[in-house]
Amino acid sequence: ILNVEQSPQSLHVQEGDSTNFTCSFPSSNFYALHWYRWETAKSPEALFVMTLNGDEKKKGRISATLNTKEGYSYLYIKGSQPEDSATYLCAFSSGNTGKLIFGQGTTLQVKP
Amino acid sequence: GAGVSQSPSNKVTEKGKDVELRCDPISGHTALYWYRQSLGQGLEFLIYFQGNSAPDKSGLPSDRFSAERTGGSVSTLTIQRTQQEDSAVYLCASSSNRDGGETQYFGPGTRLLVL
Repeated sequence: ILNVEQSPQSLHVQEGDSTNFTCSFPSSNFYALHWYRWETAKSPEALFVMTLNGDEKKKGRISATLNTKEGYSYLYIKGSQPEDSATYLCAFSSGNTGKLIFGQGTTLQVKP
Repeated sequence: GAGVSQSPSNKVTEKGKDVELRCDPISGHTALYWYRQSLGQGLEFLIYFQGNSAPDKSGLPSDRFSAERTGGSVSTLTIQRTQQEDSAVYLCASSSNRDGGETQYFGPGTRLLVL
């Protein structure tokens, strides 16, 4: 059974703080790792798709790294803003199939 | 451009009734996925369609669940004889193909409550 774990489950930070979350996934049969942001009452929004060991992706204040050999990815948010408050999901793809296995998410709340 | 749309946005039904959930994918996307999130759980894969290939139904939790995709576009997820444990947010996503490295674009979901 493929299992994707995210930590922490929830996080409360002050505006301006930098923060990071972890996603752990099976290191065998790795194909791709996806990060999504899901705000309440909205659609999950794609942040990154990462496929190569050592990949680093950046989008504004958000960046992510990937280690496929040890099976983890980090998501970093620099200078958190209240609008960053959301649940951040990672999802693992094994083999050439679009079937994604999701973690339970990290819920971030940024206080002004 | 238009994103993925789903209807209804909310559905309340009584235990034992059948429900149909609809998904309109992004035009031109050949792959379509259904997921659900039950209370306190992560997103769970249900089924996916890729072009004219047989769908991957490996995530459907019981034979009360079925889905079809007509004309390679709109998809309907049907739940027969609903149970309280079927209460969840049902999300649809589409991508340009079924490759695991392709971004999946999600709709806003249907929130199903079975009383």
